[in-house]
Amino acid sequence: DAKTTQPPSMDCAEGRAANLPCNHSTISGNEYVYWYRQIHSQGPQYIIHGLKNNETNEMASLIITEDRKSSTLILPHATLRDTAVYYCIVRGDNYGQNFVFGPGTRLSVLP
Amino acid sequence: DTGVSQDPRHKITKRGQNVTFRCDPISEHNRLYWYRQTLGQGPEFLTYFQNEAQLEKSRLLSDRFSAERPKGSFSTLEIQRTEQGDSAMYLCASSLGTGWRNEQFFGPGTRLTVL
Repeated sequence: DAKTTQPPSMDCAEGRAANLPCNHSTISGNEYVYWYRQIHSQGPQYIIHGLKNNETNEMASLIITEDRKSSTLILPHATLRDTAVYYCIVRGDNYGQNFVFGPGTRLSVLP
Repeated sequence: DTGVSQDPRHKITKRGQNVTFRCDPISEHNRLYWYRQTLGQGPEFLTYFQNEAQLEKSRLLSDRFSAERPKGSFSTLEIQRTEQGDSAMYLCASSLGTGWRNEQFFGPGTRLTVL
């Protein structure tokens, strides 16, 4: 079973920030938080990942709470092309561990 | 384009036929993963290779499924005696598999339809 909980769907106005929450209350010390998204009929696309500190790249920012039990993915200026299913995944760096995907959050960016 | 390629992109077959899919990972990646995704669900893990060694298999991988990665580069996934329940998107991913840089990069997938 997935170790994360996400809202099933969210809407966001084009040009505004999209803030996608994720709860991972059972995360352990060596587990990373990964975010992927999947646009219809394509393979999942890596967005960002983090361990303890907040992270930012050209696609998004990841804010992880101090207790690491939840995180938020921020798309600073959402566009219509950001409409997708967003997956939050917790994964350790142990040998052989695969990603366990939950149902994700379906983000709809509205014009 | 992530650098992971899969072939074919679409496959339609009749029940009972065998099918084979190919995945070419990013060249320096030593880990390769296969996932299956049905409509409305997230991807589900099938199997994983570290170089040429198949190190982990999901219970979803029945004995009709076999995967190989003979030289630690490309991989094939074969399904024998296909069933309608095998209809799904089959995704391949690769990763460096070391420490911080363990993110998986996914290919576009092969969509299988079993009639």
